[in-house]
Amino acid sequence: SQQGEEDPQALSIQEGENATMNCSYKTSINNLQWYRQNSGRGLVHLILIRSNEREKHSGRLRVTLDTSKKSSSLLITASRAADTASYFCAPDTGGFKTIFGAGTRLFVKA
Amino acid sequence: KAGVTQTPRYLIKTRGQQVTLSCSPISGHRSVSWYQQTPGQGLQFLFEYFSETQRNKGNFPGRFSGRQFSNSRSEMNVSTLELGDSALYLCASSSGLAGGYEQYFGPGTRLTVT
Repeated sequence: SQQGEEDPQALSIQEGENATMNCSYKTSINNLQWYRQNSGRGLVHLILIRSNEREKHSGRLRVTLDTSKKSSSLLITASRAADTASYFCAPDTGGFKTIFGAGTRLFVKA
Repeated sequence: KAGVTQTPRYLIKTRGQQVTLSCSPISGHRSVSWYQQTPGQGLQFLFEYFSETQRNKGNFPGRFSGRQFSNSRSEMNVSTLELGDSALYLCASSSGLAGGYEQYFGPGTRLTVT
Protein backbone atom coordinates (compact mmCIF):
# COMPACT_ATOMS: atom_id res chain seq x y z
CA SER A 1 0.00 0.00 0.00
CA GLN A 2 1.21 3.49 -0.63
CA GLN A 3 0.14 7.04 -0.20
CA GLY A 4 -1.20 9.15 -2.98
CA GLU A 5 -0.20 12.78 -2.99
CA GLU A 6 -2.92 15.16 -4.08
CA ASP A 7 -2.27 18.47 -5.77
CA PRO A 8 -3.19 21.26 -5.30
CA GLN A 9 -3.67 21.31 -1.55
CA ALA A 10 -6.53 23.77 -1.96
CA LEU A 11 -8.66 25.00 -4.84
CA SER A 12 -11.24 27.75 -4.95
CA ILE A 13 -13.51 28.18 -7.98
CA GLN A 14 -16.83 29.72 -8.95
CA GLU A 15 -19.95 27.64 -9.32
CA GLY A 16 -20.24 26.37 -12.86
CA GLU A 17 -16.49 26.13 -13.43
CA ASN A 18 -14.58 22.90 -13.77
CA ALA A 19 -12.29 21.65 -11.01
CA THR A 20 -9.25 19.51 -11.66
CA MET A 21 -7.17 17.83 -9.00
CA ASN A 22 -4.23 15.52 -9.41
CA CYS A 23 -2.77 12.54 -7.64
CA SER A 24 0.72 11.12 -7.88
CA TYR A 25 1.99 7.84 -6.50
CA LYS A 26 5.27 5.95 -6.48
CA THR A 27 4.88 2.27 -7.35
CA SER A 28 2.75 0.00 -9.52
CA ILE A 29 -0.89 -0.23 -8.59
CA ASN A 30 -3.85 -2.57 -9.08
CA ASN A 31 -6.29 0.28 -9.12
CA LEU A 32 -6.78 3.80 -7.83
CA GLN A 33 -9.79 5.16 -6.03
CA TRP A 34 -11.06 8.66 -5.36
CA TYR A 35 -13.04 9.63 -2.27
CA ARG A 36 -14.82 12.77 -1.12
CA GLN A 37 -15.24 13.98 2.43
CA ASN A 38 -17.61 16.70 3.45
CA SER A 39 -16.54 18.57 6.55
CA GLY A 40 -16.40 16.33 9.61
CA ARG A 41 -18.13 13.39 7.98
CA GLY A 42 -17.19 9.99 6.65
CA LEU A 43 -15.64 9.55 3.25
CA VAL A 44 -17.73 8.74 0.22
CA HIS A 45 -16.35 6.52 -2.53
CA LEU A 46 -16.53 8.33 -5.88
CA ILE A 47 -14.88 6.16 -8.47
CA LEU A 48 -12.43 3.29 -8.95
CA ILE A 49 -10.19 3.07 -11.99
CA ARG A 50 -8.23 -0.10 -12.68
CA SER A 51 -4.63 -0.11 -13.82
CA ASN A 52 -5.60 -1.23 -17.34
CA GLU A 53 -8.07 1.62 -17.76
CA ARG A 54 -7.11 5.08 -18.95
CA GLU A 55 -10.31 7.02 -18.37
CA LYS A 56 -13.55 6.57 -16.52
CA HIS A 57 -16.68 8.68 -16.19
CA SER A 58 -19.37 8.88 -13.56
CA GLY A 59 -21.90 11.66 -13.93
CA ARG A 60 -19.99 14.95 -13.73
CA LEU A 61 -16.79 13.16 -12.72
CA ARG A 62 -14.03 12.19 -15.11
CA VAL A 63 -10.98 10.30 -13.89
CA THR A 64 -7.88 9.61 -15.91
CA LEU A 65 -5.00 7.32 -15.08
CA ASP A 66 -1.52 7.42 -16.57
CA THR A 67 0.42 4.49 -15.19
CA SER A 68 3.58 5.50 -17.07
CA LYS A 69 3.61 8.78 -15.18
CA LYS A 70 2.15 7.25 -12.04
CA SER A 71 -0.51 9.90 -11.87
CA SER A 72 -4.26 10.33 -11.94
CA SER A 73 -6.55 13.29 -12.26
CA LEU A 74 -10.10 13.93 -11.16
CA LEU A 75 -12.16 16.43 -13.13
CA ILE A 76 -15.45 17.72 -11.78
CA THR A 77 -17.40 19.53 -14.46
CA ALA A 78 -19.91 22.32 -13.86
CA SER A 79 -19.08 22.49 -10.15
CA ARG A 80 -21.79 23.19 -7.60
CA ALA A 81 -21.58 24.59 -4.10
CA ALA A 82 -22.41 21.09 -2.84
CA ASP A 83 -19.11 19.85 -4.33
CA THR A 84 -17.27 21.79 -1.64
CA ALA A 85 -15.33 19.07 0.17
CA SER A 86 -11.94 17.42 0.52
CA TYR A 87 -10.97 14.93 -2.15
CA PHE A 88 -8.58 12.05 -1.59
CA CYS A 89 -6.99 9.55 -3.92
CA ALA A 90 -6.11 6.05 -2.75
CA PRO A 91 -3.68 4.01 -4.85
CA ASP A 92 -4.18 0.31 -4.18
CA THR A 93 -1.27 -2.10 -4.34
CA GLY A 94 -3.23 -4.92 -2.75
CA GLY A 95 -1.99 -4.78 0.81
CA PHE A 96 -5.40 -4.28 2.43
CA LYS A 97 -4.08 -1.05 3.84
CA THR A 98 -5.21 2.29 2.47
CA ILE A 99 -2.92 5.22 3.04
CA PHE A 100 -4.62 8.51 2.37
CA GLY A 101 -2.75 11.68 1.56
CA ALA A 102 -3.58 15.15 2.78
CA GLY A 103 -6.22 15.59 0.09
CA THR A 104 -7.30 18.54 -2.02
CA ARG A 105 -9.67 20.95 -0.36
CA LEU A 106 -12.13 22.25 -2.94
CA PHE A 107 -14.22 25.33 -2.25
CA VAL A 108 -16.94 26.18 -4.76
CA LYS A 109 -18.29 29.70 -4.41
CA ALA A 110 -21.95 30.25 -5.18
CA LYS B 1 -28.88 -2.00 2.09
CA ALA B 2 -28.20 -0.24 5.35
CA GLY B 3 -24.95 1.69 5.45
CA VAL B 4 -22.07 1.41 7.85
CA THR B 5 -23.05 2.35 11.36
CA GLN B 6 -20.78 3.52 14.13
CA THR B 7 -21.61 3.91 17.78
CA PRO B 8 -21.43 6.07 19.69
CA ARG B 9 -21.32 9.14 17.46
CA TYR B 10 -19.83 11.37 20.13
CA LEU B 11 -17.83 10.56 23.21
CA ILE B 12 -16.08 12.56 25.89
CA LYS B 13 -13.53 10.79 28.06
CA THR B 14 -10.90 11.76 30.59
CA ARG B 15 -7.18 11.11 30.27
CA GLY B 16 -6.26 7.66 31.51
CA GLN B 17 -9.64 6.12 30.79
CA GLN B 18 -10.30 3.58 28.10
CA VAL B 19 -12.85 3.60 25.32
CA THR B 20 -14.48 1.08 23.00
CA LEU B 21 -15.92 2.08 19.66
CA SER B 22 -18.18 -0.10 17.56
CA CYS B 23 -18.66 -0.50 13.84
CA SER B 24 -21.31 -2.51 11.99
CA PRO B 25 -20.42 -3.05 8.35
CA ILE B 26 -22.72 -3.31 5.39
CA SER B 27 -24.42 -6.68 5.25
CA GLY B 28 -22.27 -9.17 3.38
CA HIS B 29 -19.04 -7.22 3.81
CA ARG B 30 -16.33 -9.13 5.58
CA SER B 31 -13.65 -6.46 5.83
CA VAL B 32 -13.58 -3.59 8.30
CA SER B 33 -10.87 -0.95 8.39
CA TRP B 34 -10.36 1.71 11.04
CA TYR B 35 -8.89 5.16 10.59
CA GLN B 36 -8.04 8.06 12.86
CA GLN B 37 -8.47 11.57 11.51
CA THR B 38 -7.01 14.66 13.17
CA PRO B 39 -6.37 18.15 11.80
CA GLY B 40 -2.63 17.75 12.28
CA GLN B 41 -2.03 14.21 11.03
CA GLY B 42 -4.88 13.80 8.58
CA LEU B 43 -6.36 10.38 7.90
CA GLN B 44 -4.27 7.59 9.35
CA PHE B 45 -4.82 3.88 8.93
CA LEU B 46 -5.19 1.95 12.18
CA PHE B 47 -5.93 -1.65 11.17
CA GLU B 48 -7.96 -3.88 8.91
CA TYR B 49 -9.87 -7.02 9.78
CA PHE B 50 -11.21 -9.70 7.51
CA SER B 51 -13.13 -12.72 8.77
CA GLU B 52 -12.01 -12.06 12.35
CA THR B 53 -8.31 -11.82 11.40
CA GLN B 54 -6.22 -8.71 11.41
CA ARG B 55 -4.59 -8.54 7.99
CA ASN B 56 -2.75 -5.26 8.33
CA LYS B 57 -2.07 -2.55 10.83
CA GLY B 58 -0.74 0.98 10.90
CA ASN B 59 1.88 2.60 13.08
CA PHE B 60 -0.01 3.11 16.28
CA PRO B 61 1.01 2.18 19.82
CA GLY B 62 -0.30 -0.97 21.45
CA ARG B 63 -2.90 1.08 23.32
CA PHE B 64 -4.92 0.87 20.14
CA SER B 65 -6.42 -2.53 19.54
CA GLY B 66 -9.30 -4.01 17.65
CA ARG B 67 -11.22 -7.13 16.99
CA GLN B 68 -13.82 -8.47 14.64
CA PHE B 69 -16.65 -10.81 15.47
CA SER B 70 -18.07 -13.67 13.44
CA ASN B 71 -20.89 -11.41 12.19
CA SER B 72 -18.22 -9.00 10.85
CA ARG B 73 -19.00 -6.31 13.40
CA SER B 74 -15.85 -4.75 14.70
CA GLU B 75 -14.74 -2.92 17.79
CA MET B 76 -11.68 -0.86 18.49
CA ASN B 77 -10.38 -0.11 21.92
CA VAL B 78 -8.07 2.62 23.11
CA SER B 79 -6.66 2.22 26.59
CA THR B 80 -5.01 4.83 28.80
CA LEU B 81 -6.36 7.70 26.77
CA GLU B 82 -4.16 10.69 26.02
CA LEU B 83 -5.17 14.17 24.94
CA GLY B 84 -3.71 13.45 21.51
CA ASP B 85 -6.21 10.65 20.99
CA SER B 86 -8.93 13.24 20.46
CA ALA B 87 -9.98 12.63 16.88
CA LEU B 88 -12.63 11.48 14.49
CA TYR B 89 -12.50 7.69 14.25
CA LEU B 90 -13.82 6.29 11.02
CA CYS B 91 -14.52 2.75 10.07
CA ALA B 92 -15.01 1.48 6.55
CA SER B 93 -16.39 -1.78 5.26
CA SER B 94 -15.74 -3.56 2.01
CA SER B 95 -15.97 -6.99 0.48
CA GLY B 96 -12.33 -7.42 1.41
CA LEU B 97 -11.52 -9.32 -1.74
CA ALA B 98 -8.26 -8.76 -3.55
CA GLY B 99 -8.22 -7.00 -6.86
CA GLY B 100 -9.69 -3.73 -5.83
CA TYR B 101 -12.50 -3.02 -3.47
CA GLU B 102 -14.46 0.05 -2.65
CA GLN B 103 -14.63 1.12 0.94
CA TYR B 104 -17.85 2.39 2.44
CA PHE B 105 -17.32 4.68 5.39
CA GLY B 106 -19.44 5.22 8.46
CA PRO B 107 -20.19 8.69 9.84
CA GLY B 108 -17.45 8.39 12.43
CA THR B 109 -17.16 8.63 16.19
CA ARG B 110 -15.94 11.97 17.49
CA LEU B 111 -13.81 11.29 20.56
CA THR B 112 -12.78 14.13 22.83
CA VAL B 113 -10.28 13.45 25.59
CA THR B 114 -10.10 16.02 28.39
